[in-house]
Amino acid sequence: SQWGEENLQALSIQEGEDVTMNCSYKTYTTVVHWYRQDSGRGPALIILIRSNEREKRSGRLRATLDTSSQSSSLSITAAQCEDTAVYFCATDEGSNYNVLYFGSGTKLTVEP
Amino acid sequence: AQTIHQWPVAEIKAVGSPLSLGCTIKGKSSPNLYWYWQATGGTLQQLFYSITVGQVESVVQLNLSASRPKDDQFILSTEKLLLSHSGFYLCAWSLGWGENTGQLYFGEGSKLTVL
Repeated sequence: SQWGEENLQALSIQEGEDVTMNCSYKTYTTVVHWYRQDSGRGPALIILIRSNEREKRSGRLRATLDTSSQSSSLSITAAQCEDTAVYFCATDEGSNYNVLYFGSGTKLTVEP
Repeated sequence: AQTIHQWPVAEIKAVGSPLSLGCTIKGKSSPNLYWYWQATGGTLQQLFYSITVGQVESVVQLNLSASRPKDDQFILSTEKLLLSHSGFYLCAWSLGWGENTGQLYFGEGSKLTVL
């Protein structure tokens, strides 16, 4: 398995709070994808961070990548109810770019 | 604009029966195509990928097969369904690798229930 943590995590926060989700990976990766999946729908990419980047921002989203500790994080600032979704990180093995390994995911619930 | 369409949206099938799920991508020439499986409440597991017509690579063996008969079409099938095949099947495409590529664009999925 690519991932160090296999169990789906569940986080529940209040609207306006900040939240951080973490992922660790076991082998070298060239990129970390972060996807969000709304219930019953296909996932959609929200941030893609490459191995030569330490941080990437997109609106209220911030992703970090630490290749030395083989970990990545996704932070949402001032979460809103519409941020409620399951968030997945995914990496390649660095050798076959056509194979992505998804982490177990974090189910985030933002309550009003 | 590119669109990805999966069919059927949902299926209820009997154990031992055949299955065929399809995916069509419009608006993009020669995309890389992927099939993923997701158990209810679970993560995504990649099944197959294809970078060109007629060529499909298997990632995991789940008694399923895939084919790419046309540039814009990807088919997932099996002759005999197992209970363990139940789940959500997702087709995705990408541009391959480069500065702004590697991103997967997923379809809306096909929900399969095997009884």
